[in-house]
Parts: sequence; C-alpha cells; structure tokens
Amino acid sequence: DAKTTQPPSMDCAEGRAANLPCNHSTISGNEYVYWYRQIHSQGPQYIIHGLKNNETNEMASLIITEDRKSSTLILPHATLRDTAVYYCIVRVSSSNTGKLIFGQGTTLQVKP
Amino acid sequence: DSGVTQTPKHLITATGQRVTLRCSPRSGDLSVYWYQQSLDQGLQFLIQYYNGEERAKGNILERFSAQQFPDLHSELNLSSLELGDSALYFCASSATISGTDTQYFGPGTRLTVL
Repeated sequence: DAKTTQPPSMDCAEGRAANLPCNHSTISGNEYVYWYRQIHSQGPQYIIHGLKNNETNEMASLIITEDRKSSTLILPHATLRDTAVYYCIVRVSSSNTGKLIFGQGTTLQVKP
Repeated sequence: DSGVTQTPKHLITATGQRVTLRCSPRSGDLSVYWYQQSLDQGLQFLIQYYNGEERAKGNILERFSAQQFPDLHSELNLSSLELGDSALYFCASSATISGTDTQYFGPGTRLTVL
C-alpha cells in the first residue's frame, strides 16, 4: 500500500472550513484514499473515501487531485467536536485483506 | 455507535498474567480485525479473521493469539503479559474482505499491565 504524508497538527477556528491535506505521491491506479478520525482514544471513525472523483457525504468532502498524488479532506463548518486525529490511508481495492495501515495522522484542534 | 461491541472496557492485570478480550462485530459482518494502540507505536494492525479463518497477520506477538467463533464474535488472547502490552485494543469489522469495505471500530479495551 502507498505511503501517506500528513502535517502533524493543524488549527481551525470554529465555524470555518478545515482543510486537511494528504500526500500520497506513490499511489497506484487501484488504490483508494480513505479518511478516518479518532476522537480522544475512542475507536477510529470512518469519514469518507474516494478513488479519483471528488466525493461528498454528510460529514465531509474529499478532493483528489487529477494526478491522484494528493488529496484534501474538507470539514465545511468545523465544530469543537471535530477536534481529533485525522488519518489518511491508501488501500488497494483488489486486496484480499482489508487491513488498515495507520500513519501518525494530523491532530486537528478546533478553537472557539 | 458503530455497532461493534467490545468487552471489557477496562482491564487491569499484573505482569505474567493472561487475559481475553472479546469483540462482537456488526450484524452481518464476516470480517474482524484487531488493532493495538500504544503511546509510542500508534495504531497497529494485529490480525484479521474472515468467517472463522485467519486471513492476515500484522505485528502480532507470539504471546498473542486470536480466534473467530461460528457466531462470528472474536477473542484476542494475551498471555505472559508485560508492561509494554499496556495499550488500547480495538476491534473492527467489515462486511467482507474487500479492500474497499468500510471498517467500523468498536470503543476499545484499555489494558493496563502493572
């Protein structure tokens, strides 16, 4: 699975959009980009995933560059409850095991 | 609530002891994963079971073992415990083994070895 690079920490003002970048320059054509978050020692929570098209759900939007070497997770209106560690993970779609390989993630601090 | 349950929530034990952590996957999910999260190692994949059979192994110590039962619940057995085994242990489940299946995580078991 391709390796990802994320900034260790970011701040965001409450009510503003939080844009979390992820670099995955070695991503292969059959690898998906997944985002999970972990709120203070709780179990990681699935946010969104995508292959090459931009995706949106009730939690967030995922923007993947045309060359697929990087992506951005967007939380449109961050709240204090969005303070968490956000993990960007690349997974092979054809894998016969769905294991997740977590990196260090980005600690997002949403401030009032 | 992810639908994945783990028991117990907290476990305190002594070095050299053996413990069993239990996980019930979401209804209908066939695949169960175990992860360990310690302060210095982050979230690490330990082992995966699919429909009762071991599917993948990660950085799991020989002192650790797991199994998935016919009702699909899973147990992680940790033996000869050491101080360094203190960590959060998460179980996750997914519908199948596909690399695109979403994994849903349980609330975790916090193990403290004294």
